[in-house]
Parts: sequence; C-alpha cells; structure tokens
Amino acid sequence: QSALTQPASVSGSPGQSITISCTGTSSDVGGYNYVSWYQQHPGKAPKLMIYEVSNRPSGVPDRFSGSKSGTTASLTISGLQTEDEADYYCISYINTSPPLWVFGGGTKVTVL
Amino acid sequence: QVQLVESGGGVVQPGRSLRLSCAASGFTFSSYGMHWVRQAPGKGLEWVAVISYDGYNKYYADSVKGRFTISRDNYKNALFLQMNSLRAEDTAVYYCAKAGSGYLRSSKFDYWGQGTLVTVSS
Repeated sequence: QSALTQPASVSGSPGQSITISCTGTSSDVGGYNYVSWYQQHPGKAPKLMIYEVSNRPSGVPDRFSGSKSGTTASLTISGLQTEDEADYYCISYINTSPPLWVFGGGTKVTVL
Repeated sequence: QVQLVESGGGVVQPGRSLRLSCAASGFTFSSYGMHWVRQAPGKGLEWVAVISYDGYNKYYADSVKGRFTISRDNYKNALFLQMNSLRAEDTAVYYCAKAGSGYLRSSKFDYWGQGTLVTVSS
C-alpha cells in the first residue's frame, strides 16, 4: 500500500499561516473521515493534533485546524509559532480486506 | 494519567527473533484497541499492526505479515509484538499507541509510548 502524499517541507514566518496537504485515494482519505494528524519533535514520540479530519483533542491550540476536500486532507497552522517547528504526519484508515492504516511521508515545518 | 512503556528492544542478528512489550496504565486497557507503529532512523512513521480491545481482530502491514504477531494480555495490561525472521529493514524505533476511539477504523492514536529501538545487524 502506497503512503499518502505530503510535501517534504513547508516554511513560514512567525504569525503567518501555513497549510500541509495529504493526498490519497477514494479508498482512504477520500472514502472516510478517519484521517488524523501527528506532530513529532526530534527524538520525541508523535503527538495527536487532529483526528477524524477536523477534530482537535483537548490541549491542542486552536491555531491547528484540519479539513478535507475529495481525496486531499489538509492541516492548517494559523499564527505560526516557533514551537510549531516539527515534522507532521497524516494517517488514514484504508478500507481494504484486511483493513490497513497508512501514514503520509511526513512534512518538515520550518519557522523562519 | 495514561502511560505506555515499551521494552524489549535491542540488537539482534538477521533471521533471529525478538519480543517487544508495552506496559499500559492509567486507563481501562481492556476497552481499547492498541497499535504498533515504527520509525526507521531518519525516516517517517510506518503503521505496523493493530489488535482489537478483546484480542480477536488483528491486522498487519504487508511488510511484516507472516513474520510479526501482535497479542495482548488484558489481565496484565500488556501489549506484545513477537517479531520473527527479522531483517535489516526492520531496524526502527517501535512505538505502541492507544486507540483513542471505540471503533477500530479510527486513526486516532491518543497516547504513545516513548519507543524502543530495535537494531537488526550482524
């Protein structure tokens, strides 16, 4: 199963907004709302930022938001802060038999 | 609070076996599915396997199917990953992660362990 497609890197200045895309197919991103986003700082475990396309767990700043259009999900960081510099991964459930889960290749966010 | 602590990693020769464990606490372990996710050095995340809350349903990534077995002990609040016929490409940090929803399809992994490093090398 191929990984979901994410840009390798995205950058922005503090206070700006950036968007990370995650492109799949109708069997995964496009077929279900089981898309989540994870933030990972170097040497740390991943942290859940968005689940089921657009839901934010408690404790995650509201400058993080998620959306989906067709087979592409997106994570938007509004009001970029220096601590947002990290790797970001999307993941989707895939409706195959047996079912699978697949991550995107990851996006390095750099705060300029 | 929720804690997941992996153990069992180390250096192993190609073709040999290793068993990883994940000790869970701070939540009702028997009510949630559990996943294993790995990350090769300098690479991205790769989903490995999932087990349902009752241990009945188990699913694997194609890359490990037939070699790895996921299991759980709900009495001991523990998750396991038995890894056989290990290859160099299995070298990675292995994380256990708690499913954040009652339905297995969800990709919501709300708590993660700190990871345990497995190195496959002769």
